[in-house]
Amino acid sequence: SQKIEQNSEALNIQEGKTATLTCNYTNYSPAYLQWYRQDPGRGPVFLLLIRENEKEKRKERLKVTFDTTLKQSLFHITASQPADSATYLCALDIKGGSYIPTFGRGTSLIVHP
Amino acid sequence: GAGVSQSPRYKVTKRGQDVTLRCDPISSHATLYWYQQALGQGPEFLTYFNYEAQPDKSGLPSDRFSAERPEGSISTLTIQRTEQRDSAMYRCASSRRGRGETQYFGPGTRLLVL
Repeated sequence: SQKIEQNSEALNIQEGKTATLTCNYTNYSPAYLQWYRQDPGRGPVFLLLIRENEKEKRKERLKVTFDTTLKQSLFHITASQPADSATYLCALDIKGGSYIPTFGRGTSLIVHP
Repeated sequence: GAGVSQSPRYKVTKRGQDVTLRCDPISSHATLYWYQQALGQGPEFLTYFNYEAQPDKSGLPSDRFSAERPEGSISTLTIQRTEQRDSAMYRCASSRRGRGETQYFGPGTRLLVL
């Protein structure tokens, strides 16, 4: 069956360090992958999109990599701040067929001052 | 509108009752999605619309669930004969078009079925 895996355990890091979150998938051939941020009680907010033919994408302190051979995306936040504390979700679009955006369960990031 | 809005924000109902949830997408957006999100989980796709067309409703859990977008703007999600397992957060999102576009999420409707 198709599956998206994000670490269910919270990631705790110190302010200023780089946070790295992982999104693994099986049995998909995604056309692209998106990362969203979700704060408690709120809807997800789009951060970055990376396409299957792109290896890396950057936006300010954020960096996403996409390895279609490993079936993995890494999401990095450099110089992390307590305000970065949130749940981060990855979402895939399966190539071809009907468009069904599929989300992982998200990983909680806690940045300690 | 400025963003995606949903109403009501909270709904408490008794088992067996019908409920209708509303989503008002960003006005220029062609595509609208409905998701169900359980606590601690990511949004789970229910169905989506391109304008008034509904190309895929494979994520709807049962035939008690239905969605409409008759004029290609506002959408409703109706759950008939609600069951306790229907209790969840229901989220709506919209995007300018479909694939590869940013989805803008609404605040959600928290449904509790007693």
